[in-house]
Amino acid sequence: GAVVSQHPSRVICKSGTSVKIECRSLDFQATTMFWYRQFPKQSLMLMATSNEGSKATYEQGVEKDKFLINHASLTLSTLTVTSAHPEDSSFYICSASPWVDNEKLFFGSGTQLSVL
Amino acid sequence: DAKTTQPNSMESNEEEPVHLPCNHSTISGTDYIHWYRQLPSQGPEYVIHGLTSNVNNRMASLAIAEDRKSSTLILHRATLRDAAVYYCAGLQNYGGSQGNLIFGKGTKLSVKP
Repeated sequence: GAVVSQHPSRVICKSGTSVKIECRSLDFQATTMFWYRQFPKQSLMLMATSNEGSKATYEQGVEKDKFLINHASLTLSTLTVTSAHPEDSSFYICSASPWVDNEKLFFGSGTQLSVL
Repeated sequence: DAKTTQPNSMESNEEEPVHLPCNHSTISGTDYIHWYRQLPSQGPEYVIHGLTSNVNNRMASLAIAEDRKSSTLILHRATLRDAAVYYCAGLQNYGGSQGNLIFGKGTKLSVKP
């Protein structure tokens, strides 16, 4: 089955630093990837849609200058949390699919970000 | 808008069937209904999806109401490994482009031995 790899699985950083999270589709090409954020005991909230070769589409309320998304190839999308603050501490999850049109999405294993 | 509503939690006994409901009264005619489940500190795992007809796979069955305003995920024989948070999600159809999932708050399923 399709595999989405996400790295790192856990990161702890100091306030004010930037953190990059990678999302790779290992055995398929993904023109579109999605980034979600999940706070403890809450549901997944879509942050942005990452499009290969073009700008990402951000959901309302998500700061594009703070959460930089780069989708430079058909198998890699990165999310950079710039100038991280403690309120950015969360579980970040990416997803992708080898298909279009309503087919199932495959999710990465998530990245737990803790900002001190 | 593919907003979904689910009970916060449910309990089941091992080896018994479980019916997890989801209301999605505002779903559009072209939005698929997806179900995923999530274990703590892990990414969601696909369970099943459908549009109008009931669906079966090796993991579960999905019963979709005729008016599509609700659906039920059926686990035929719950095991301890089925304990997870189950999310019902609408997949927005962008007409040939990859749609995104809009997750509800999910149902935490507990399975008792």
